[in-house]
Amino acid sequence: EVQLVESGGGLVKPGGSLRLSCAASGFTFSNCSMNWVRQAPGKGLEWVSCISSSGSYIHYADSVMGRFTISRDNAKNSLYLQMNSLRAEDTAVYYCARDTGSGELWIPFDYWGQGAVVTVSS
Amino acid sequence: QSVLTQPPSASGTPGQRVTISCSGSSSNIGGNYVYWYQQLPGTAPKLLIYTNSQRPSGVPDRISGSKSGTSASLAISGLRSEDEADFYCAAWDDSLSGWVFGGGTKLTVL
Repeated sequence: EVQLVESGGGLVKPGGSLRLSCAASGFTFSNCSMNWVRQAPGKGLEWVSCISSSGSYIHYADSVMGRFTISRDNAKNSLYLQMNSLRAEDTAVYYCARDTGSGELWIPFDYWGQGAVVTVSS
Repeated sequence: QSVLTQPPSASGTPGQRVTISCSGSSSNIGGNYVYWYQQLPGTAPKLLIYTNSQRPSGVPDRISGSKSGTSASLAISGLRSEDEADFYCAAWDDSLSGWVFGGGTKLTVL
């Protein structure tokens, strides 16, 4: 069974930093691209960042470019999101989500974690 | 302001058919596949439709997706109370080099 479990959320002051982790199990983690998607309170989904299976290719949303860093450790089946210079508008539930497939049959976000809550407030 | 545009709400009575639209542009829906996700209250989103119209195993065939030009639609027939949820469309955007979501549509079963 595919499982994605986020951790590392919490309350942080504006300008502070936080590192989220996502522990993956039930599939071959090193074969899958991974994403972070967030959802502000009462709002819709916003894609944050993605990383290829090897870590060679990375993309970020403009809203987090230069402040957030996505990374992975395939030996530990783990995905990370280092968040720096946090702002109030970064307050959200952060989900890690798996991609599957290849070429024409690419399926983004086919499995999601339960989410980690990040609150940026003074 | 979301890159993909969805109606904020939709509704229907049990047994009815409802459709939810998703409008984009040539840089996203017009040139790439569309995906749909269902988010039940208090839970993580779940994949509902991939590559415009394909259903993952476990998703009933009363749920269907389609795409035409720069727009896509999700249709749910034989509406049930358990279909009440938020629905999101998504596509890759070539100009932004990233995934974009619609703002979400809250489906109410009356």
